[in-house]
Amino acid sequence: DTGVSQDPRHKITKRGQNVTFRCDPISEHNRLYWYRQTLGQGPEFLTYFQNEAQLEKSRLLSDRFSAERPKGSFSTLEIQRTEQGDSAMYLCASSLGLNSSTDTQYFGPGTRLTVL
Amino acid sequence: AQTVTQSQPEMSVQEAETVTLSCTYDTSESNYYLFWYKQPPSRQMILVIRQEAYKQQNATENRFSVNFQKAAKSFSLKISDSQLGDTAMYFCAFSRKTSYDKVIFGPGTSLSVIP
Repeated sequence: DTGVSQDPRHKITKRGQNVTFRCDPISEHNRLYWYRQTLGQGPEFLTYFQNEAQLEKSRLLSDRFSAERPKGSFSTLEIQRTEQGDSAMYLCASSLGLNSSTDTQYFGPGTRLTVL
Repeated sequence: AQTVTQSQPEMSVQEAETVTLSCTYDTSESNYYLFWYKQPPSRQMILVIRQEAYKQQNATENRFSVNFQKAAKSFSLKISDSQLGDTAMYFCAFSRKTSYDKVIFGPGTSLSVIP
């Protein structure tokens, strides 16, 4: 078990460019979450998947953002026409998705996006 | 809507001493979960401790314990025998259920353990 991994770890882009991040959850984890964390703040929920189905999207997720989890394994988060306000750490988390009080979200190391 | 507030942006504690981090939250839900997460510098966020709202007994995990006051909507974290490795951002967080619902985080408290 290698934990949740994210790629790339850092991304610098120019305003207006598109970027895509990848998250590989812990194997056999059914649920996958995306959060955004700006400097000095706690993470904010963006969206989550149960297997390949996207079950909830935050209003923070504008139409420039799209997330997929095509085969219920890895997930991608794409930001189109990036803006400087998109600069943040993008965190991925996964969990077994059991209806249990002991289930836990495990976080990845994050992708730090800087939009110039 | 649920909100989580942490009124202490920064705290410090001497090694081996005890420190308490404060958290308050607001919700109209009757059944929910509360968490403390730790985010060390440049490292991944990890769960420190969780509390189920319907349980009266305060959760404990080794040197970490909570003081859960449901009526006051207060959820503080006590770290005993502080260690240098406890230096991190600590986030108080709320979820209506456990992992199958989104976690709402507070703004965090930066804790420094001083040797």
